[in-house]
Amino acid sequence: DAGVIQSPRHEVTEMGQEVTLRCKPISGHNSLFWYRQTMMRGLELLIYFNNNVPIDDSGMPEDRFSAKMPNASFSTLKIQPSEPRDSAVYFCASTPGVTGELFFGEGSRLTVL
Amino acid sequence: DAKTTQPPSMDCAEGRAANLPCNHSTISGNEYVYWYRQIHSQGPQYIIHGLKNNETNEMASLIITEDRKSSTLILPHATLRDTAVYYCIVRVAHGGADGLTFGKGTHLIIQP
Repeated sequence: DAGVIQSPRHEVTEMGQEVTLRCKPISGHNSLFWYRQTMMRGLELLIYFNNNVPIDDSGMPEDRFSAKMPNASFSTLKIQPSEPRDSAVYFCASTPGVTGELFFGEGSRLTVL
Repeated sequence: DAKTTQPPSMDCAEGRAANLPCNHSTISGNEYVYWYRQIHSQGPQYIIHGLKNNETNEMASLIITEDRKSSTLILPHATLRDTAVYYCIVRVAHGGADGLTFGKGTHLIIQP
């Protein structure tokens, strides 16, 4: 079975550019999560969706960050404009919402120069 | 306000049992204990969870004290591939699809 699929795996961009990270959750899972991981702050929950609806975005750092889930099989995390402090690994995870077990993707490593 | 306390690092010899402790002295009656691990450069991976009783699956065993204030994750025969950061998480709702809050975890190093 395909797991959570994230793209791109690596992204290098310059400050001020727009960055879009993509996630395809596991089919049948009705909840999706975006996390960010840095050495300084560890794993942080940014936002999560239930049945494509954003439930809690209190972890989104600022207005430069936005996330959408237009359908059950696709989500995006956008940063506009990007800044060097946004450099991190961004993980997407999904769950069927029954056992509380989250399935994580391999992550997207973002470097903003 | 961390809900769990774990040692920052531990060593274990290959082939031996790795016992990872977690303190969650303020756990509520409806909170479960979850364990995840993160191997370098990969996404976190679910290991096991429990409420009161001890649990075992193909990956590990979870021992929860009777007062539920602490627990131990046991990897019965550690291999080099078990080197990872292990996270102990307490979570309010079983079956609720809310996010997990990760702490700093324990960096387990399996020595050959």
